Amino acid sequence: EAGVAQSPRYKIIEKRQSVAFWCNPISGHATLYWYQQILGQGPKLLIQFQNNGVVDDSQLPKDRFSAERLKGVDSTLKIQPAKLEDSAVYLCASSLAVVRTEGTDTQYFGPGTRLTVL
Amino acid sequence: GEDVEQSLFLSVREGDSSVINCTYTDSSSTYLYWYKQEPGAGLQLLTYIFSNMDMKQDQRLTVLLNKKDKHLSLRIADTQTGDSAIYFCAETLRTTSGTYKYIFGTGTRLKVLA
Repeated sequence: EAGVAQSPRYKIIEKRQSVAFWCNPISGHATLYWYQQILGQGPKLLIQFQNNGVVDDSQLPKDRFSAERLKGVDSTLKIQPAKLEDSAVYLCASSLAVVRTEGTDTQYFGPGTRLTVL
Repeated sequence: GEDVEQSLFLSVREGDSSVINCTYTDSSSTYLYWYKQEPGAGLQLLTYIFSNMDMKQDQRLTVLLNKKDKHLSLRIADTQTGDSAIYFCAETLRTTSGTYKYIFGTGTRLKVLA
């Protein structure tokens, strides 16, 4: 079974530029997550999709970050304009769970995109 | 509140056991997870434990859960140099929409000395 795919793996931009990251979840996984992992910290949830709808975007800086999952499969995360403090690894994860499913909901992570803002 | 804490570093000798500790704050956590992150890679699932269990063993890994103290530990038996990585614990909380939200700890960097 193929894992979660992300691209690009690395990106270097200057502040105030725009950048976009792409994620392809595991086939059949209804839920997709974007996390921001700053160096030395654990992942912090930015946004969670259930199919093509947003479940939780409470920690997404909506003035500069946006994300979409138009057909309920692939997702794109965009930053416009980027700031120095956006330098981090952006992790995408997916899980099988649907709403009101009991039991565990294991998340599987992609390799991440390392963003450096100069 | 939502907060998961871990010690930052652990150093052990090859062949010894490693014990990585984690404390969490939300007693309604359903499942608790351990993930491993190697340099430049994403998070790899190691194991998880349901909140009504005290212990779970999976080959070299033993997870202990003290729900009263909200304390989780991961023991790695016969630690190898390939176990050197950052280990994250995560608690999962059921949301009002019926999905699950993960809260990750800060990570413990394990260094295995040959």
